[in-house]
Amino acid sequence: AQSVTQLDSHVSVSEGTPVLLRCNYSSSYSPSLFWYVQHPNKGLQLLLKYTSAATLVKGINGFEAEFKKSETSFHLTKPSAHMSDAAEYFCVVTRAPPYNNNDMRFGAGTRLTVKP
Amino acid sequence: DVKVTQSSRYLVKRTGEKVFLECVQDMDHENMFWYRQDPGLGLRLIYFSYDVKMKEKGDIPEGYSVSREKKERFSLILESASTNQTSMYLCASSLTSLKTQYFGPGTRLLVL
Repeated sequence: AQSVTQLDSHVSVSEGTPVLLRCNYSSSYSPSLFWYVQHPNKGLQLLLKYTSAATLVKGINGFEAEFKKSETSFHLTKPSAHMSDAAEYFCVVTRAPPYNNNDMRFGAGTRLTVKP
Repeated sequence: DVKVTQSSRYLVKRTGEKVFLECVQDMDHENMFWYRQDPGLGLRLIYFSYDVKMKEKGDIPEGYSVSREKKERFSLILESASTNQTSMYLCASSLTSLKTQYFGPGTRLLVL
């Protein structure tokens, strides 16, 4: 069984400051972990994924996440927020490959607000 | 670019009505999925399909059925809509079960 907890339902940052969105996971298996972003009135888009290769994963739009097994965490970071980063972010866990997309567990989401 | 389209962005229905939500993908993907998204709950899988005419229940299939008569099209059916089915419905597809899912823009359904 696996589950994911996003520790903040809402994060607010100023433009140009760092972003940290926190995610802890629980998994009976070696996990695969994903971050998705959902802009208003849009579908989800994959930002990055970890599938048991390098623990520091780089994604699109300057985001990255680090898999820390000892802390069961997969926090999403970005050095400098941009107004266009305002969106909802979902952390997702499933088992390590070979995994099935039908076995993914989504977090509740973190809404990121970016102030000018 | 993969494109997943959903037939309606917004839908208002009455309790007891039969509701059809349509999803079409244009990349010959094998797998298709229906999720519902509710505040504070994230996305929950309703049904998925790994081939034409094949379907599997997800985590919350009660009150829903699906149909996949053609590879590119996956329909979600609410046989008798209820107010607790008011939600955002997201369709997704992936080439295989190991590949990235691509999501449609969602259908926001309100059941009165």
